[in-house]
Amino acid sequence: DQQVKQNSPSLSVQEGRISILNCDYTNSMFDYFLWYKKYPAEGPTFLISISSIKDKNEDGRFTVFLNKSAKHLSLHIVPSQPGDSAVYFCATLADNQGGKLIFGQGTELSVKP
Amino acid sequence: KAGVTQTPRYLIKTRGQQVTLSCSPISGHRSVSWYQQTPGQGLQFLFEYFSETQRNKGNFPGRFSGRQFSNSRSEMNVSTLELGDSALYLCASSLGSSEKLFFGSGTQLSVL
Repeated sequence: DQQVKQNSPSLSVQEGRISILNCDYTNSMFDYFLWYKKYPAEGPTFLISISSIKDKNEDGRFTVFLNKSAKHLSLHIVPSQPGDSAVYFCATLADNQGGKLIFGQGTELSVKP
Repeated sequence: KAGVTQTPRYLIKTRGQQVTLSCSPISGHRSVSWYQQTPGQGLQFLFEYFSETQRNKGNFPGRFSGRQFSNSRSEMNVSTLELGDSALYLCASSLGSSEKLFFGSGTQLSVL
């Protein structure tokens, strides 16, 4: 069973508009969440993270929102740029020992010029 | 600082064969994790090694194994390959208890 779910396999957005990528999780014990970005033929790279003690974390054009009661997080990209076109994975830390992240299936974002 | 290096980049094998993939972590990183990426499944955790010891293991059959050497380099082995093992295998390293993983570019394995 998928503990972290990204229900939208793909998203297409116009350049300059907002991109919103969603992620749901099942276990209320999860308390740290990350977003990774992956280009073709490259490994995923860390983008932004959020701890459960916060409901929002911002880094430049990227903002992650966490709704603990709904077990939902979202990544907002404003404004979207063509270079943002990639697959975005949300992930959570499975335990405190490090190195074991549980990933969603990924959402492929396409930003059209 | 050099990133995570995985070799080979591409590999083609036939069913029943075995394969060994290699990963060199970022210098100073002692934790190495392996993930399998297949279309529609995201990244599935295989196992993690820290200081030559397997610290975590995912839900994969025993055909999937790994090890870590004293210099933190890691290898992953898959025996008796099946068609379903075709995937991108990603290695990631971290300082140890860090939740932030640094990934290599992966090894694309095709089983024919």
